[in-house]
Amino acid sequence: EAQVTQNPRYLITVTGKKLTVTCSQNMNHEYMSWYRQDPGLGLRQIYYSMNVEVTDKGDVPEGYKVSRKEKRNFPLILESPSPNQTSLYFCASSLDGSGSYNSPLHFGNGTRLTVT
Amino acid sequence: AQSVTQPDIHITVSEGASLELRCNYSYGATPYLFWYVQSPGQGLQLLLKYFSGDTLVQGIKGFEAEFKRSQSSFNLRKPSVHWSDAAEYFCAVGADRTSGTYKYIFGTGTRLKVLA
Repeated sequence: EAQVTQNPRYLITVTGKKLTVTCSQNMNHEYMSWYRQDPGLGLRQIYYSMNVEVTDKGDVPEGYKVSRKEKRNFPLILESPSPNQTSLYFCASSLDGSGSYNSPLHFGNGTRLTVT
Repeated sequence: AQSVTQPDIHITVSEGASLELRCNYSYGATPYLFWYVQSPGQGLQLLLKYFSGDTLVQGIKGFEAEFKRSQSSFNLRKPSVHWSDAAEYFCAVGADRTSGTYKYIFGTGTRLKVLA
């Protein structure tokens, strides 16, 4: 089944403890992206990647890192999480590396992160 | 700057009733417009999109949306709501980056509740 898989689904951690949220897609998609969803703010893009080893900042990149060493994986790294990073995170992918609107975004089921 | 406004945070309708979810956008050129649905515990799924041409677009699950340039609106409609339509709905506009890649600007979402 074609899908975007995020892990874990739920994560509770403490301030400053490094964590990684994994994202993997099995559709051979070029483009991958991370979003955070907060009440009243909708979805905001954190980082995106057009291909292996090509990443760029989205609208809210502060406090996050990403890497794209393999086409299928795009982990999100919080090296020193803070409470303001408590949010619902979504990974998404699409076929076209530019993220073209002709290639629909496929979303994972989300990771709910709580930082205390 | 491009923006998307969904004026209704919550909407409650009875099963079998008609539905209209409002979306207004701000964009200088002809916009690329999208509606996504987020069912509980799931990622976002594309319902429909408008790029050009016929201003009434049909989507999945019996939804349709109408693009009205004069009103800068792209409202989502369904003639008869089913209980399974209870979800959060996001309107989005495509906003090209200067780098040539594509980005989405999402609205803040409308949560739909369906009464039996």
